[in-house]
Parts: sequence; C-alpha cells; structure tokens
Amino acid sequence: AQKITQTQPGMFVQEKEAVTLDCTYDTSDQSYGLFWYKQPSSGEMIFLIYQGSYDEQNATEGRYSLNFQKARKSANLVISASQLGDSAMYFCAMSPGDFNKFYFGSGTKLNVKP
Amino acid sequence: KAGVTQTPRYLIKTRGQQVTLSCSPISGHRSVSWYQQTPGQGLQFLFEYFSETQRNKGNFPGRFSGRQFSNSRSEMNVSTLELGDSALYLCASSRTSGHDIQYFGAGTRLSVL
Repeated sequence: AQKITQTQPGMFVQEKEAVTLDCTYDTSDQSYGLFWYKQPSSGEMIFLIYQGSYDEQNATEGRYSLNFQKARKSANLVISASQLGDSAMYFCAMSPGDFNKFYFGSGTKLNVKP
Repeated sequence: KAGVTQTPRYLIKTRGQQVTLSCSPISGHRSVSWYQQTPGQGLQFLFEYFSETQRNKGNFPGRFSGRQFSNSRSEMNVSTLELGDSALYLCASSRTSGHDIQYFGAGTRLSVL
C-alpha cells in the first residue's frame, strides 16, 4: 500500500529561523519520486522540490532542502531563513512506479511569526 | 511561459446537475492529472491522461469522467452532482507520465447546493 504521513498538523517558526517539516512514506516500489508543494490560502499548489528514489544526494532548491533518508523512508523538508511569505500549507507527495499518480500527506500548516 | 489554466475558477451547482471543468496544460506538457481536495479527505487522485489516453484512475465512482484532446487540453465531467462533490478540483500537468514534476493550476472551486 502507498501511504504518506505528515504528523505535524501545524507549526510556528520565528522569521529568519530554520524549520523542518516531517514526512514519512510507505511504498513497495523501488522507483518513486518524492515532492513537496506549498499551498497558500489562494489554493494553488506551488512546486518546491523533488527527490528521486535513486538520487544519492539530497535535493536543494534555494532556501529549500529535502533531507532524504531512504532506509527510514523519510523525506523531510527544511526551510532555511523563514520569511513571512512562507506561511502556508505544505504537502508532501509521493509518485510510485512509472506513474504520475500522486499520493499526498494531510499537510502541515506553517505560520511564520515576525 | 503560461502556467496551467483552469476554468471556471468558481462554480455553483445544485444536486443532480452535471458540470464540466476545463484544464489547459503548460505548452509542451502531454500529461494532465486531476485531483479533488476536501477538508475531510484531503487531496485525492482522480485520473491521469497522457496523449489522449487515460493511464490511471483513482477510486471514484463512474460519475466522474474525463477526457483529453489532441492539443493536451483536458476536461473533467461530474454527472448527477451530490453535496459531497463540493470541493476544490485541481488540475496538474507534466511533460511525461512517469513520476515527473506536476505543475498545478489555481483550481476550480465547486459548490453543490
């Protein structure tokens, strides 16, 4: 069975500090992709970062990095130097096998305090 | 480069009616996927189309259907609407159909009264 778990419904972080959003996944497929998306209150899902299951290096995109621990089946998102505009819902997603079928976690609502 | 465009943005329907939602993918993208987002069920996969063929289907009743045209534009249809169909419907496009990065549109918010 394919499953994504995000155990933090809500988090607070002080502006300019780093924050880690947790994500664990379960799949029997050897090939899969892991993704993080940001969803502001407007509703649009914004792509942040991607990690392939065979990638040995952790992915980074600007202030975003993905802490990929394959043996533990975790794919945590690290946001460095938080900004007020980072306040949003964050979703972890997995695409197993050779398909574009995304399984999403329940999301983490991040609030950045000034 | 234009992003994924979904129309309409908002829709109000009554029970029993049917509705068609439209999605124009990013130019050059051949895969279009649809998702339903509700507060109770979260984000759920509806179906994926690639080169006019449905490649995957989620666990939704047959009232939910879709199609893709030769220009990769896609439509989703829901017949005999129920109150529980009220949701944000998101369309996403990607270049290929294999755990590729999906780019989402702003969504269509459907309210069923």
